[in-house]
Amino acid sequence: GAGVSQSPSNKVTEKGKDVELRCDPISGHTALYWYRQSLGQGLEFLIYFQGNSAPDKSGLPSDRFSAERTGGSVSTLTIQRTQQEDSAVYLCASSHPGFNEQFFGPGTRLTVL
Amino acid sequence: EDQVTQSPEALRLQEGESSSLNCSYTVSGLRGLFWYRQDPGKGPEFLFTLYSAGEEKEKERLKATLTKKESFLHITAPKPEDSATYLCAVQTVSGSARQLTFGSGTQLTVLP
Repeated sequence: GAGVSQSPSNKVTEKGKDVELRCDPISGHTALYWYRQSLGQGLEFLIYFQGNSAPDKSGLPSDRFSAERTGGSVSTLTIQRTQQEDSAVYLCASSHPGFNEQFFGPGTRLTVL
Repeated sequence: EDQVTQSPEALRLQEGESSSLNCSYTVSGLRGLFWYRQDPGKGPEFLFTLYSAGEEKEKERLKATLTKKESFLHITAPKPEDSATYLCAVQTVSGSARQLTFGSGTQLTVLP
């Protein structure tokens, strides 16, 4: 079956602009995660969705970051007023109910000029 | 605070030269320890999950082991296609998010 998909694969934007990143999880996976991987840094947790429960936003670095998940499937991560330090690869992962393993998408490479 | 430390940062091996990668962790309560492989420009690819000390998992030339403080990823007779960054991550019992806390990875290069 299809894995986690993300779009766009690359995004270049100017400082101060808003961007939206999309994630399509594996069908049937109720848990969805966003992570950020900066150059020379490890993966950093951003936000977690589980079914219809309120998301865990404890990893979001600032209020410029937000995410939503529609219909328990597709998720969008929005970064408002982008800054150069937001440049990173944004990774989405999903997991099946009752299992802990997370399966990652290919990521979106964001470059803020 | 949960911490995951991987060593070495980089490792160069000749084809067929076996070695081990280390992942040491400090967590309040371990739910699971995960190993991933990441190729350049791609997302992490799941390899193994380990849940309790003494547990071992194998896949082709890779074997992962777990103790109460660390995990090892043993690579036996590696091939150039095993070259990648290997990531270790922990999931803890605290909190509801079940997010993974990652180490910074070991970049493995296997020379032909």
